[in-house]
Amino acid sequence: AQKITQTQPGMFVQEKEAVTLDCTYDTSDQSYGLFWYKQPSSGEMIFLIYQGSYDEQNATEGRYSLNFQKARKSTNLVISASQLGDSAMYFCAMRGTGGFKTIFGAGTRLFVKA
Amino acid sequence: ETGVTQTPRHLVMGMTNKKSLKCEQHLGHNAMYWYKQSAKKPLELMFVYSLEERVENNSVPSRFSPECPNSSHLFLHLHTLQPEDSALYLCASSQDRSGGASYEQYFGPGTRLTVT
Repeated sequence: AQKITQTQPGMFVQEKEAVTLDCTYDTSDQSYGLFWYKQPSSGEMIFLIYQGSYDEQNATEGRYSLNFQKARKSTNLVISASQLGDSAMYFCAMRGTGGFKTIFGAGTRLFVKA
Repeated sequence: ETGVTQTPRHLVMGMTNKKSLKCEQHLGHNAMYWYKQSAKKPLELMFVYSLEERVENNSVPSRFSPECPNSSHLFLHLHTLQPEDSALYLCASSQDRSGGASYEQYFGPGTRLTVT
């Protein structure tokens, strides 16, 4: 069975510093996709970044980057130069091939301090 | 309108009422999803439609009834709900037709449902 684990219920970071949010996963699929979403207090889930299981390079999107370690089954999100607007819930998610099911982790709440 | 919209944003209903949640996507996507987000629980997939055909039904009670009249609209019909059904209901869409691993989803703002 597929599983996503986010072990940090809450994280604090000082504005302008970098922060790493952890995510580990478990799957028997050979091909899968890993996603990170941000959910502000308004409720809408916002897609941030994607990593394919066969991608050799770590994904980057602006201030977001992934530290993808396939052998350890982890895909940690790094946010550089944190901003106050980064305060939100962050969810790690995984999707296999051959279906539409995406499973989500429990999320990490990030607090950015001024 | 852009992206994915949901109405209403907030809904309070009694256990004997019947109501419907509406979702509309303006992205030209082929797949649409309903998720339930309860406090302190991971996001739960309820239903998936691809090209207006239901492709996932995640053991959801029959008091929730989805409808997808076309690829842009998705409804969730509610009747005789229970207090434990109170949650944020999120609609999403994605571009894929056949369930590939690389397709991200775009979410609406959600409907906050309270069952009294």
